[in-house]
Amino acid sequence: AQSVTQLDSQVPVFEEAPVELRCNYSSSVSVYLFWYVQYPNQGLQLLLKYLSGSTLVESINGFEAEFNKSQTSFHLRKPSVHISDTAEYFCAVSVPGSGNTPLVFGKGTRLSVIA
Amino acid sequence: NAGVTQTPKFQVLKTGQSMTLQCAQDMNHNSMYWYRQDPGMGLRLIYYSASEGTTDKGEVPNGYNVSRLNKREFSLRLESAAPSQTSVYFCASSERQDRGYGYTFGSGTRLTVV
Repeated sequence: AQSVTQLDSQVPVFEEAPVELRCNYSSSVSVYLFWYVQYPNQGLQLLLKYLSGSTLVESINGFEAEFNKSQTSFHLRKPSVHISDTAEYFCAVSVPGSGNTPLVFGKGTRLSVIA
Repeated sequence: NAGVTQTPKFQVLKTGQSMTLQCAQDMNHNSMYWYRQDPGMGLRLIYYSASEGTTDKGEVPNGYNVSRLNKREFSLRLESAAPSQTSVYFCASSERQDRGYGYTFGSGTRLTVV
């Protein structure tokens, strides 16, 4: 079975500073990896995903994540955060070809950007 | 706009009352899911429906029932609400998440049981 660990429950960071939100997964087979973002009082939205190919994936709002198979990690980074990035971020994993087995989510990391 | 629609957005129930949370998607997705979100607990899967006509228990099914009414609609019922069911409930849908499509989420129902 797969599992996801988000190592930090809360990350405070000053505006325009860099940030890294950590995600490690456990799986004995190949995986797909996802980052979702939840802005205050909203549902979750897909931020970016890794399926195959280039291990570095990017979102339209400046976030990037790198798939590291040897370290079983998929950390999310942004070089300069804005107040509007304040949200909760969830890492998730699925197994290719597993049918409709639900995604496995981490417990989330709350990013607070301080002016 | 295409997506997942949840109703109601807010609800207050008294202990022992029943209610049904509604969810509908217009993306022709096969699979639908119900999650609850509690502080510090992340998202916990209650029930899911891999396809029309099938439902399966998730991590926390006790106290809930579901109905996959048709391909579009997946409802969650609380037969006798308890304060422990105070939470934010999210419905999601997916085409084939194991092919990398991921989920589309609704905006949530905030339920308070007093």
